[in-house]
Amino acid sequence: DVKVTQSSRYLVKRTGEKVFLECVQDMDHENMFWYRQDPGLGLRLIYFSYDVKMKEKGDIPEGYSVSREKKERFSLILESASTNQTSMYLCASRLGGSGNIQYFGAGTRLSVL
Amino acid sequence: AQSVTQLDSQVPVFEEAPVELRCNYSSSVSVYLFWYVQYPNQGLQLLLKYLSGSTLVESINGFEAEFNKSQTSFHLRKPSVHISDTAEYFCAVSAKAAGNKLTFGGGTRVLVKP
Repeated sequence: DVKVTQSSRYLVKRTGEKVFLECVQDMDHENMFWYRQDPGLGLRLIYFSYDVKMKEKGDIPEGYSVSREKKERFSLILESASTNQTSMYLCASRLGGSGNIQYFGAGTRLSVL
Repeated sequence: AQSVTQLDSQVPVFEEAPVELRCNYSSSVSVYLFWYVQYPNQGLQLLLKYLSGSTLVESINGFEAEFNKSQTSFHLRKPSVHISDTAEYFCAVSAKAAGNKLTFGGGTRVLVKP
């Protein structure tokens, strides 16, 4: 079974802090994704990565950055956390190629106070 | 660009009753279609997908969805729900050409009551 592991289930941070959310997958997938999930809005794509050191902006990249130094690990960085970044963050991975499905981690619920 | 609309944000239903979750999409290109389910305090899991072939697809736990190209819909149905089907359900689309990016609907929360 594919496993996507997010390092924290719950995080509480203060406004202005730098926040790192970590995601690791164990299936040698090329593609990795970060989403945020908000009630009524579904999942919105923040950033994704096709391969190591490759990254592309999703639909809502403002206020976020990412890092992919190793194939199995994809980090989401909030350079200066703000209260409007309080949300559920979901990581996913996917084998490259058309039609392949995404596998999701359990999510990190981030509260910025 | 593509978009997905789930017409119902919440659907209360009694146990053993049927349920239908509606999903409409818009896209200028051919698409793949997916339904994901999120149980409480968990990540998303694939429920079923349409890539090509038969327009009716089924999951192992009794759900089915039908791709209707003319109506650009991919509604999800189950003839008899269980308490354990209480979850949030997300419809998603990805363009065949792009293949990688998923666009999600806003989700439908299903509450199964005894």
